[in-house]
Amino acid sequence: QKEVEQNSGPLSVPEGAIASLNCTYSDRGSQSFFWYRQYSGKSPELIMFIYSNGDKEDGRFTAQLNKASQYVSLLIRDSQPSDSATYLCAAIHGSSNTGKLIFGQGTTLQVKP
Amino acid sequence: GAVVSQHPSWVICKSGTSVKIECRSLDFQATTMFWYRQFPKQSLMLMATSNEGSKATYEQGVEKDKFLINHASLTLSTLTVTSAHPEDSSFYICSASLTHGSGDTQYFGPGTRLTVL
Repeated sequence: QKEVEQNSGPLSVPEGAIASLNCTYSDRGSQSFFWYRQYSGKSPELIMFIYSNGDKEDGRFTAQLNKASQYVSLLIRDSQPSDSATYLCAAIHGSSNTGKLIFGQGTTLQVKP
Repeated sequence: GAVVSQHPSWVICKSGTSVKIECRSLDFQATTMFWYRQFPKQSLMLMATSNEGSKATYEQGVEKDKFLINHASLTLSTLTVTSAHPEDSSFYICSASLTHGSGDTQYFGPGTRLTVL
């Protein structure tokens, strides 16, 4: 079992819809969770980080963390074609003192005009 | 804020030569930086963790004598690919860790595309 798991997709949504990206993790000690966006041929770009249970909103993006169920999600409201990219979920291992990120395999999002 | 730069953005070199890639945190100090490699359509692969003033920690399977890492200051880490070969052609990405009240967050540089002929 991988430590951080995502559905590789592709997830296809129409423009203007809500895109829901999900991620589960196996290490109960993980405290910090991140969503990065990576366009083809580019490096990852941080969208959001979340440390506490519940929702965290930033513009069109909402991250949700449920530590009891060990899942993290990212909602993108009013999806735009420019949101089409690979979304990487990452966690810092609970026992890590180096800040190393454990990445999921990424979910490809396609927003169709 | 939290900007990380890399130089060069791309490089083409002949087999057997060495290539140095610089990673700088422009507006914050980073005790820890990380070096990744990514092949086309594959996931990011962590190569090493670089700590300012100490030796880098390499991931299993990464040759430390081939990929030399120096973290000379809180804003600069360098990766030198020694005696590069065509199989070293890849997208090399660094990240710098920003420590804030809630924890550490990695910010990525734009990457360096290396082509070895």
